[in-house]
Amino acid sequence: AQSVTQLDSHVSVSEGTPVLLRCNYSSSYSPSLFWYVQHPNKGLQLLLKYTSAATLVKGINGFEAEFKKSETSFHLTKPSAHMSDAAEYFCVVTRNYGQNFVFGPGTRLSVLP
Amino acid sequence: KAGVTQTPRYLIKTRGQQVTLSCSPISGHRSVSWYQQTPGQGLQFLFEYFSETQRNKGNFPGRFSGRQFSNSRSEMNVSTLELGDSALYLCASSLSDRPLGPAGNTIYFGEGSWLTVV
Repeated sequence: AQSVTQLDSHVSVSEGTPVLLRCNYSSSYSPSLFWYVQHPNKGLQLLLKYTSAATLVKGINGFEAEFKKSETSFHLTKPSAHMSDAAEYFCVVTRNYGQNFVFGPGTRLSVLP
Repeated sequence: KAGVTQTPRYLIKTRGQQVTLSCSPISGHRSVSWYQQTPGQGLQFLFEYFSETQRNKGNFPGRFSGRQFSNSRSEMNVSTLELGDSALYLCASSLSDRPLGPAGNTIYFGEGSWLTVV
């Protein structure tokens, strides 16, 4: 069985400051891990994915995440927040095949001017 | 290259009715899956299709069904609608269902179909 915990339901940062969105997972399999972003009234856009090639994964828009197996974590970071980063972020775990994704509950990121 | 297209984008139905939602995957993609998003339950997996065969099914009642056509387009149907079925229904597509490893596929989501049951 797989599960995802996103430790913060809401994170608020000032524009230009670092972003940290936390994710812990549980998986019986060697997992694939993803971060998706959802802007209001929009579908989900892939930010980045981990599929065992490298533990530090770089994504779009300056986001990156580090897979730490010992901590079962996959935290999302960005050095400097932009107003356009305000959205809902979902951490996702899946087995190494198929589309049966297990989504975390989401973290809403607010960026203050 | 066109993205995943879902129709209709918005619809309102009455309790007891049925609804059919459509999804056109990205050209060349053969795997399609469906998800339900609600404020209370978050994003939940409904089912996945590959080459017209259902590969996986989530924990939803039999009122929820789907199918995939030979051109990879997919439909999902909800019969005997309940108020709790009000949700955003998201479709996702990828080239193949396996593997999702280092050389594997990216999953692309459509913008969803907003269903309101009154």
